[in-house]
Amino acid sequence: AQSVAQPEDQVNVAEGNPLTVKCTYSVSGNPYLFWYVQYPNRGLQFLLKYITGDNLVKGSYGFEAEFNKSQTSFHLKKPSALVSDSALYFCAVRLGIKAAGNKLTFGGGTRVLVKP
Amino acid sequence: DTAVSQTPKYLVTQMGNDKSIKCEQNLGHDTMYWYKQDSKKFLKIMFSYNNKELIINETVPNRFSPKSPDKAHLNLHINSLELGDSAVYFCASSQLGYSTPYNEQFFGPGTRLTVL
Repeated sequence: AQSVAQPEDQVNVAEGNPLTVKCTYSVSGNPYLFWYVQYPNRGLQFLLKYITGDNLVKGSYGFEAEFNKSQTSFHLKKPSALVSDSALYFCAVRLGIKAAGNKLTFGGGTRVLVKP
Repeated sequence: DTAVSQTPKYLVTQMGNDKSIKCEQNLGHDTMYWYKQDSKKFLKIMFSYNNKELIINETVPNRFSPKSPDKAHLNLHINSLELGDSAVYFCASSQLGYSTPYNEQFFGPGTRLTVL
């Protein structure tokens, strides 16, 4: 079984301040981890992924995420948030290579509100 | 060019009716998915097709029947619609390579289904 927890329903941050969105996961085996963003009335857009290698992953729009195996976490970060980063963020996990059909399990989402 | 498209964008219908949602992708991917996003924004996979073969079939009422006429299309037919079927339905696609199993999924814009 695999699961993802996003402990914060909402994160509020002032524009220009660092942004962190938390994610922890549970999976039997090596995890593949993803972050997606959903803007209002839109589909999900891929931000970044961790498969293997360097624990710090860089993605779109200045976002990065750090994989921490001991803490089973994959927190999303941005050094300086923009008002346009306000959206719903989803963390997702899938099991390793032989998982059937690229089955992603999503966290419950974290709403980010960046205030000017 | 739209990568993953869905029609219709909005669907309002009465309980008991039968309706279909269509999805098309022009990315050349071999795998397509249907997700349901409920009113609390929780996202859950329903089905996945790989090269027209059903490979993921989650616990979904059998009133929901996916059909994939070819790799680029995945339709969702829903019989005897119920109030609880009201949600946003997302189609997604990816390239499912078993030697490169970590390809991200691309999502369509969603179909908002409202059952009255």
